[in-house]
Formats: sequence, structure tokens, C-alpha cells
Amino acid sequence: EAQVTQNPRYLITVTGKKLTVTCSQNMNHEYMSWYRQDPGLGLRQIYYSMNVEVTDKGDVPEGYKVSRKEKRNFPLILESPSPNQTSLYFCASSNDRAEAFFGQGTRLTVV
Amino acid sequence: EDQVTQSPEALRLQEGESSSLNCSYTVSGLRGLFWYRQDPGKGPEFLFTLYSAGEEKEKERLKATLTKKESFLHITAPKPEDSATYLCAVQAWRGSNYKLTFGKGTLLTVNP
Repeated sequence: EAQVTQNPRYLITVTGKKLTVTCSQNMNHEYMSWYRQDPGLGLRQIYYSMNVEVTDKGDVPEGYKVSRKEKRNFPLILESPSPNQTSLYFCASSNDRAEAFFGQGTRLTVV
Repeated sequence: EDQVTQSPEALRLQEGESSSLNCSYTVSGLRGLFWYRQDPGKGPEFLFTLYSAGEEKEKERLKATLTKKESFLHITAPKPEDSATYLCAVQAWRGSNYKLTFGKGTLLTVNP
């Protein structure tokens, strides 16, 4: 089954404790991206990657890092999380028609 | 700056009562307009892509249409299982970034 898999689904952490949210896709897509979803603000792009070792900032990249060492994986790294990064995060993988397929989401709470 | 506005914010329908959701947009150079469905606590689920004015796509009880300024998602004879938030997004011609700019969504509730 074609899918985008994120882990963990839920995470509660403390301010400043580094964390990584993993994302993996099995559709052989070159393009992957991360979004965050906040009430009243909708979905906003954090980072994207066009291919292995090629990444770039989206609209809200501050406080986040990404890496793309393999085509299927695109982890999101928060090196020093803060409470304003409490949000619902989605990883997406896009085909060559730019149609994005989203993971199940990771609900992150930073206290 | 790309902008997407969806209306209404929320819509309640009785089962079988057809209606339409609106998505108006401004974008410099539309590459595509996308409709997604999102259930509570889940990721958006892809429904349709529309590329040019006049284009229409259908899937079961849903039909999406596109003009130069807006898109409509028509729901014919909805069922309770159609209850969800429907998201509209646009994508501009900006090199290789497939960034989607989303609207805030329409929360659809279909009562039996």
C-alpha cells in the first residue's frame, strides 16, 4: 500500500530537549515536505526537499532542521524545542504531478 | 503572496441536501488547485487536482470545478460519512518547490 509513515504520532517533551520526527514514504517520490497545522492558521510549509541532499526552507523554517540522506526518508529535527512549536505536524510526499500525499500526523506538545 | 479563502467556515447539511463549498484564490501563475479531505486527527487525503479554468473532476458524490478566480466543490446528496473538513490549496509556478498554500478549510457536517 502506498503510504507516508510518520513517527511518533504523539509526543510530549520539555523545552530544549532535542527531538526528531521521522517520515518515510514507499512511493519513490523525489519531492517531500513538512507542514505544521495550527488553529486559525491552516497548514504552512516548514521545509521541503527536491531530492537526496537537496533541501530548502519553506515559509516557517525557524527552529527546525531537516536532512535527506535517502530518497524514502525525510526526518524533521527540533534541536531546542520551544512551546511555540507545539503543533500538529504533517510530512508529505509528492508525485510528478505535484499531488501531495500526507502522513497521519504527529501531535507535538512542548512544555 | 498567494492567498486562499474558503467559505463558509462551517456548513451543516441534512443527508441528501446538496450544496457547494467555495474556494477563492489569488496566485501569480497557477500551476494547480487541489482539494483535500481531512478527518479529525488525520492527515489530509487527496481528492482532486484542477489545472485550468473550465476543468471539472468528479468522484462519487463530489464534483470540483475551476474558474480563473475560484473553485467550487459540489456535494450531491451527501451522506453522514462525507462529514469532514475540506481543504483547498493552490500551487504556483515557482521553480521546483511544490509548495501548497492552503485555505483554512470548510467543516462539513452531514446529519442523518
